[in-house]
Amino acid sequence: SQTIHQWPATLVQPVGSPLSLECTVEGTSNPNLYWYRQAAGRGLQLLFYSVGIGQISSEVPQNLSASRPQDRQFILSSKKLLLSDSGFYLCAWAATGGRETQYFGPGTRLLVL
Amino acid sequence: GDSVTQMEGPVTLSEEAFLTINCTYTATGYPSLFWYVQYPGEGLQLLLKATKADDKGSNKGFEATYRKETTSFHLEKGSVQVSDSAVYFCALRANQAGTALIFGKGTTLSVSS
Repeated sequence: SQTIHQWPATLVQPVGSPLSLECTVEGTSNPNLYWYRQAAGRGLQLLFYSVGIGQISSEVPQNLSASRPQDRQFILSSKKLLLSDSGFYLCAWAATGGRETQYFGPGTRLLVL
Repeated sequence: GDSVTQMEGPVTLSEEAFLTINCTYTATGYPSLFWYVQYPGEGLQLLLKATKADDKGSNKGFEATYRKETTSFHLEKGSVQVSDSAVYFCALRANQAGTALIFGKGTTLSVSS
């Protein structure tokens, strides 16, 4: 069966510091991968999605970036965090083609102080 | 563009009460529709889905019917339990390869005994 992992589970970072959140998927090949953010009092916002290694589409311009160095690894990064980057970050995967159901990881709660 | 509108919460019910959470959508073509649930401190879990008009998704006593004529996908449960307390998200995905989910803002349900 497929599983999706995210780490760390919780992170507290100062403004201006770098960020690296990791997501890995097991039990499937060539998945579509997604990064969403859930800010307090707001819904989920798609940040990035990837249909293959090295292929990243950005939905919202901001100081975040994403990379997919391996087939089942998706990384969310920032060089300098802003207060507004605080939120709950969720990674999701779907079978190749993206027409299938998306399955979410446990999330990373980020607090920028 | 495509969008999802959910009733605003919080919704507060007593155990065994009937639940309805309204969801309407705007989309071109025939999107797939989903309900996800987020329990406190956790990621999102797929609750149910429907991929074409008049389909009924069901799971754990929850049901939702894809109504093309009213562009709705309301979530219902006949008798809620305290363990149903969570945030519920309605979402759509356009039927194009690689398309990510578009979420409503979520509805918080609180059930008391």
